[in-house]
Amino acid sequence: GAGVSQSPSNKVTEKGKDVELRCDPISGHTALYWYRQSLGQGLEFLIYFQGNSAPDKSGLPSDRFSAERTGGSVSTLTIQRTQQEDSAVYLCASSSRGAGDEKLFFGSGTQLSVL
Amino acid sequence: EDQVTQSPEALRLQEGESSSLNCSYTVSGLRGLFWYRQDPGKGPEFLFTLYSAGEEKEKERLKATLTKKESFLHITAPKPEDSATYLCAFSGGSNYKLTFGKGTLLTVNP
Repeated sequence: GAGVSQSPSNKVTEKGKDVELRCDPISGHTALYWYRQSLGQGLEFLIYFQGNSAPDKSGLPSDRFSAERTGGSVSTLTIQRTQQEDSAVYLCASSSRGAGDEKLFFGSGTQLSVL
Repeated sequence: EDQVTQSPEALRLQEGESSSLNCSYTVSGLRGLFWYRQDPGKGPEFLFTLYSAGEEKEKERLKATLTKKESFLHITAPKPEDSATYLCAFSGGSNYKLTFGKGTLLTVNP
């Protein structure tokens, strides 16, 4: 596709349920990032992938959060036993090399609401 | 500790009224200083990357500048369509991620 695609665009879930968020990066981009944006807050880094490996997981807020990337392409962010404080917009971004000196291309995000 | 602070949090301008947004940063070994624009319900859209102090870049009514401690986004004769949240971010040191500020919400009234 022409850009970064995320699905679903909106997800409403009940507290305690598990959710999976999907990201399709730009074709050929080796680096993939997940960020979280809460109301009134900046973008909070979650995890960075280079290929299928995740050299930086430092932003994952708890062991309820995990992510994987397969085939150097699609990534899934999984949140287990969701809590109300997990409600936020989850943004995915990709870049061609992941060297830190190049721009990121963002998807439109998944709005997660935990009731 | 690496950090970035944007000011003001919100700015309201009349159409044609020029102003500047500020981004103060602290990082060891800057790799890049980035400006993004974010519209409601959308992901951030890339505007500029600056790599070294003294560098300037322009696009339409926007001009970004960089010093060793700050970056400014100058908006000349803004139009209502320039209304958005403007985000500053940096990468540096051993990190390859971008660290974002909380943004400046710009509103331009006709």
